[in-house]
Amino acid sequence: DAGITQSPRYKITETGRQVTLMCHQTWSHSYMFWYRQDLGHGLRLIYYSAAADITDKGEVPDGYVVSRSKTENFPLTLESATRSQTSVYFCASSDRAAGELFFGEGSRLTVL
Amino acid sequence: KNEVEQSPQNLTAQEGEFITINCSYSVGISALHWLQQHPGGGIVSLFMLSSGKKKHGRLIATINIQEKHSSLHITASHPRDSAVYICAVWASGSRLTFGEGTQLTVNP
Repeated sequence: DAGITQSPRYKITETGRQVTLMCHQTWSHSYMFWYRQDLGHGLRLIYYSAAADITDKGEVPDGYVVSRSKTENFPLTLESATRSQTSVYFCASSDRAAGELFFGEGSRLTVL
Repeated sequence: KNEVEQSPQNLTAQEGEFITINCSYSVGISALHWLQQHPGGGIVSLFMLSSGKKKHGRLIATINIQEKHSSLHITASHPRDSAVYICAVWASGSRLTFGEGTQLTVNP
């Protein structure tokens, strides 16, 4: 189906485990973003990518790793999950800088 | 101080009322988004503005670039409008900065 999809939608893991959240978009949008949403903080940018093989840090990148080997995929990896990374994660895409934004459904991650 | 400030943080209205949510920002921007998020749901872009005014159904968004201010209006509000409304601005580079959102509850 066309659009932007995230997986898994729900994940429970333990402290210290590696977790990867997947994001896939079918529009060939250049820009992709990862945000986390927490009560009291709103949406905060973790990493973004302007094109394949180009990534850059956002506001809260520590503890996260991203890659963008293909335009359509933008996985987010927590190399050693911590409880403070319990959050709802949203992926988004746009066809240009300052363009229309499209969000995935969100991935709710709980780190025990 | 946040670069993007929304007011009010919470708003309760009766069905049929006219609603205004405000967004002020402190940086130069190339565009501003109004987003809607229903409880437990995803985020949908309602409007993207760089100047003037846009209307979609009962929703109207305005922006004043000189005053660094935008408003989202909902006419004839309905309980299904209950959601969190988020203002976000494209500032420098490719960074989108978000307000903390306005929780709107419309009672029947």
